[in-house]
Amino acid sequence: ETGVTQSPTHLIKTRGQQVTLRCSSQSGHNTVSWYQQALGQGPQFIFQYYREEENGRGNFPPRFSGLQFPNYSSELNVNALELDDSALYLCASSLKTGAVEAFFGQGTRLTVV
Amino acid sequence: GQNIDQPTEMTATEGAIVQINCTYQTSGFNGLFWYQQHAGEAPTFLSYNVLDGLEEKGRFSSFLSRSKGYSYLLLKELQMKDSASYLCAVRFASGGSYIPTFGRGTSLIVHP
Repeated sequence: ETGVTQSPTHLIKTRGQQVTLRCSSQSGHNTVSWYQQALGQGPQFIFQYYREEENGRGNFPPRFSGLQFPNYSSELNVNALELDDSALYLCASSLKTGAVEAFFGQGTRLTVV
Repeated sequence: GQNIDQPTEMTATEGAIVQINCTYQTSGFNGLFWYQQHAGEAPTFLSYNVLDGLEEKGRFSSFLSRSKGYSYLLLKELQMKDSASYLCAVRFASGGSYIPTFGRGTSLIVHP
């Protein structure tokens, strides 16, 4: 058990809608990263939050946005959903930015129809 | 973006040794990670290399050559439960922050 929890576990949305995914990081971890993992692919880095500030971003459009709260939990928001956004969304927390080991949650499986 | 290359699939026999290779572009390198991911589960951390050489942790070892942009994960005494996807990830320095880039993963099938 990693202590990183994500909700919901599964979600179906219609193209054009907006979605919010949530992540509770492991106790004491102040850094949260979000990844998108398409079937048969490795995780793709979306962005990282450290102490409520975005601290690095991958090659994703601005309709992917996030928040980190004072308790270090985090949200990933995706606007104007596209069919290609269907994927497993993973959240990972670490003790600090640049930490060696990150702990992943079980992910949210998003299907866009 | 940075390319991380690793084989798509490998098969091995229970009790044997298998080596999974990973190559990457060296510019901006700031550490290499290996993760294990069983089907339908979250990735779990296996190892980290930032200096050249071999890091051993039980049945698993990871090697890094920074000048060659090359790493491998060595799994000894294979067990059926080792059947999983093995992800190579490299952290790159970019504009003051660190961007982790994952390979597609190597699906390892261990058979009796």
